[in-house]
Amino acid sequence: SQQGEEDPQALSIQEGENATMNCSYKTSINNLQWYRQNSGRGLVHLILIRSNEREKHSGRLRVTLDTSKKSSSLLITASRAADTASYFCATDKGYSTLTFGKGTMLLVSP
Amino acid sequence: EAQVTQNPRYLITVTGKKLTVTCSQNMNHEYMSWYRQDPGLGLRQIYYSMNVEVTDKGDVPEGYKVSRKEKRNFPLILESPSPNQTSLYFCASRLSTGYGYTFGSGTRLTVV
Repeated sequence: SQQGEEDPQALSIQEGENATMNCSYKTSINNLQWYRQNSGRGLVHLILIRSNEREKHSGRLRVTLDTSKKSSSLLITASRAADTASYFCATDKGYSTLTFGKGTMLLVSP
Repeated sequence: EAQVTQNPRYLITVTGKKLTVTCSQNMNHEYMSWYRQDPGLGLRQIYYSMNVEVTDKGDVPEGYKVSRKEKRNFPLILESPSPNQTSLYFCASRLSTGYGYTFGSGTRLTVV
């Protein structure tokens, strides 16, 4: 069952601009994770935010989590062409299953 | 190098011919999982394993089998593949719940 839903489905920006992607989910979670996938390749784990955290930073990435609204956002600052990829949120309920959304395709043009 | 290794990367097979996709991790991770990725459907979990000899169904287990006889290996078995199992398959592992997954590079399977 699909838990997270990313928005928008696709996003096109210029290098240097910020990119914001959103994720909504339906049930309570233990943590929420964001992954990046370059075309057809394996997913790469970017960042994990626990249910008792509101904001987390990693380099140019900033993730927020609002458990009352069951939503999260991923902000990539000062985007580069190399950031072009699909981004997925995944919800972790605390046992083994991690449920992914359908992803946001980000295109960063030089 | 810490990694999840899947083989083969590409496979074309015929309907009904049993096949196995291997997955191995060198990070001593407890948890392993198989996902399939299809256009418009995202990633869906097939099976997962919480430890040796402990496996459970994900969202789309029909037509698949798994085993976890050793901690490092988690093969995916298709006893009688059908065209609707044509997909991109990913194996992943993580240390425990509350950690991120490390993914393999994927296996692109075509069943004709």
